[in-house]
Amino acid sequence: DGGITQSPKYLFRKEGQNVTLSCEQNLNHDAMYWYRQDPGQGLRLIYYSQIVNDFQKGDIAEGYSVSREKKESFPLTVTSAQKNPTAFYLCASSVRHSGAQPQHFGDGTRLSIL
Amino acid sequence: EDQVTQSPEALRLQEGESSSLNCSYTVSGLRGLFWYRQDPGKGPEFLFTLYSAGEEKEKERLKATLTKKESFLHITAPKPEDSATYLCAVRTGSQGGSEKLVFGKGMKLTVNP
Repeated sequence: DGGITQSPKYLFRKEGQNVTLSCEQNLNHDAMYWYRQDPGQGLRLIYYSQIVNDFQKGDIAEGYSVSREKKESFPLTVTSAQKNPTAFYLCASSVRHSGAQPQHFGDGTRLSIL
Repeated sequence: EDQVTQSPEALRLQEGESSSLNCSYTVSGLRGLFWYRQDPGKGPEFLFTLYSAGEEKEKERLKATLTKKESFLHITAPKPEDSATYLCAVRTGSQGGSEKLVFGKGMKLTVNP
């Protein structure tokens, strides 16, 4: 079945540590996205990629980095510069970025600080 | 500033008690409105896309409608398995420009048996 796979499901970060969240899709979608979800807030966009080897900052990119070396993969690194990383992180993809294409989501990674 | 507001924030219904969820928006250049369902600990599941005022979409007990300022998600004769958080999102911007998806905070629905 086609879909989006995020791993790990739970992740713990020590102070000063960088951690990487994995996102893989087999939907053959061009566009991929990373969102952060906090209680009582709407999803907020961290980074997005319209095509391989290209990505743009979203609304809350500070303290995060991404890469898009393959169409299927869009990993997110939470760096030590992100002072409040505890959240539920969601990866999404869509056929293309422009136009009203629905985004489809993975089942998330919950990141906590040790 | 683009804004999407969902109301109520939480809703409790008895099984079979129909109701509606509201999503109002103030955005520039509406390119589509999306409804999602999210279960605890899971990612949002896509339900509907609405593109223009007057449009309606249906799926089982759910029907989504769209006006120029808001969208409604009508739930007819809900069952306990309809319990979830429902998210509304609006696609804004102009083609080739800074298009983005703006999400509401969600509405938690609980259906009691």
